[in-house]
Amino acid sequence: DAKTTQPPSMDCAEGRAANLPCNHSTISGNEYVYWYRQIHSQGPQYIIHGLKNNETNEMASLIITEDRKSSTLILPHATLRDTAVYYCIVKGGTSYGKLTFGQGTILTVHP
Amino acid sequence: DGGITQSPKYLFRKEGQNVTLSCEQNLNHDAMYWYRQDPGQGLRLIYYSQIVNDFQKGDIAEGYSVSREKKESFPLTVTSAQKNPTAFYLCASSNRDRGPAEAFFGQGTRLTVV
Repeated sequence: DAKTTQPPSMDCAEGRAANLPCNHSTISGNEYVYWYRQIHSQGPQYIIHGLKNNETNEMASLIITEDRKSSTLILPHATLRDTAVYYCIVKGGTSYGKLTFGQGTILTVHP
Repeated sequence: DGGITQSPKYLFRKEGQNVTLSCEQNLNHDAMYWYRQDPGQGLRLIYYSQIVNDFQKGDIAEGYSVSREKKESFPLTVTSAQKNPTAFYLCASSNRDRGPAEAFFGQGTRLTVV
């Protein structure tokens, strides 16, 4: 699975969009980009995944660049409850729970 | 509701004792996983199982053992051979091979060895 690079921390004002970047320059054609988040002392929670098209669900949007070397997770209207560590994971194949977690990005949403 | 249940939430043990952490899922998932998380770190894979009666070592299997006798259950035993057992342990499950899918995680067991 390809390596990912994320900023260690980001801040966002409540009600504003949070844009979390992720670099994955060595991603291969059959690998997906997954995003999970972990609120303090809880288990990680799946957010969204994509291959090459932009994806949106009730939690977030995922924008993947045309060359697939980077992506951005967008939380359109951040709330205090979105404060968490966000992990960008690139994964191919099956074994969908066999994930390589990096350090992630600590997102802090301020009032 | 469907999900993954880990119990207990907090567990204390004396050094040198084996301890078993419980993980049960009712999502009908074939695959289950155990992770360890240390303070300020990401998760690291201990063991995983793709199907009943089969399991594989992850990145940090030394000092741990597992069994998979039932589809719903994947208990983890932290043995006395594990040098630094105090950690946050997370269990997960996923579909095995029906297209890209997400993993579902339990709420974790925080083990403290004194």
